[in-house]
Amino acid sequence: QLQLQVSGPGLVKPSETLTLTCSVSGASIENSIKYWSWIRQAPGKGLEWIGAIVYTGSAYYNPALRGRVTISVDTSRNQFSLSVESVTAADTAVYYCARQGETVFGVIGNNYFDPWGQGTLVTVSS
Amino acid sequence: EVVMTQSPTTLSVSPGERATLSCRASQSVRSNLAWYQQKPGQAPRLLIYGASTRATGTPARFSGSGSGTEFTLTISSLQSEDFAVYYCQQYTDWPPLTFGGGTKVEIK
Repeated sequence: QLQLQVSGPGLVKPSETLTLTCSVSGASIENSIKYWSWIRQAPGKGLEWIGAIVYTGSAYYNPALRGRVTISVDTSRNQFSLSVESVTAADTAVYYCARQGETVFGVIGNNYFDPWGQGTLVTVSS
Repeated sequence: EVVMTQSPTTLSVSPGERATLSCRASQSVRSNLAWYQQKPGQAPRLLIYGASTRATGTPARFSGSGSGTEFTLTISSLQSEDFAVYYCQQYTDWPPLTFGGGTKVEIK
């Protein structure tokens, strides 16, 4: 059964870089024709897609995050990671990782999210 | 960016009653729409994809319909475990993938 687990610090200072890792078990990132995604949810708010990566390292990002975000993949560890630079209080959120998409005739399509990791709250505060 | 709008924001329903949730897209997303359920303190869970296909494990009382810009999630007979927040998400035009603001289904 595919499972995703987020790890990383729960507190980050303003202007610093937030870094989280999602560990995947039950499937190989390298052998999956899927995207691996980050999504966040500010306290009491809705869901915001941050970006996604495929095992080759090709990544897509939400333009709203204005180039502050980098997603990387480590297939040897079956993990993918998120970095958000120059964080402010507005980046305080629960951060989720999720598998995105399904394989349709050998390409990734139907880009919904299933399953999701449990999420971790990251607070930006001095 | 495709903007997704959900209504109502809150829906008060008695157990056993029918609940109808709406989701509207700012442009056609064809049938590329998913619904998620989120309970307090938990990650969202996929309920419906392709506008109307139930995900594995989704009870039959959940049904999705619509295409283009107008979509509906119907819960035929609300059970206690169905009180939660529901989100729609489009996956036709990305990046970015976008979600609606959510509908909270609460006990009346």
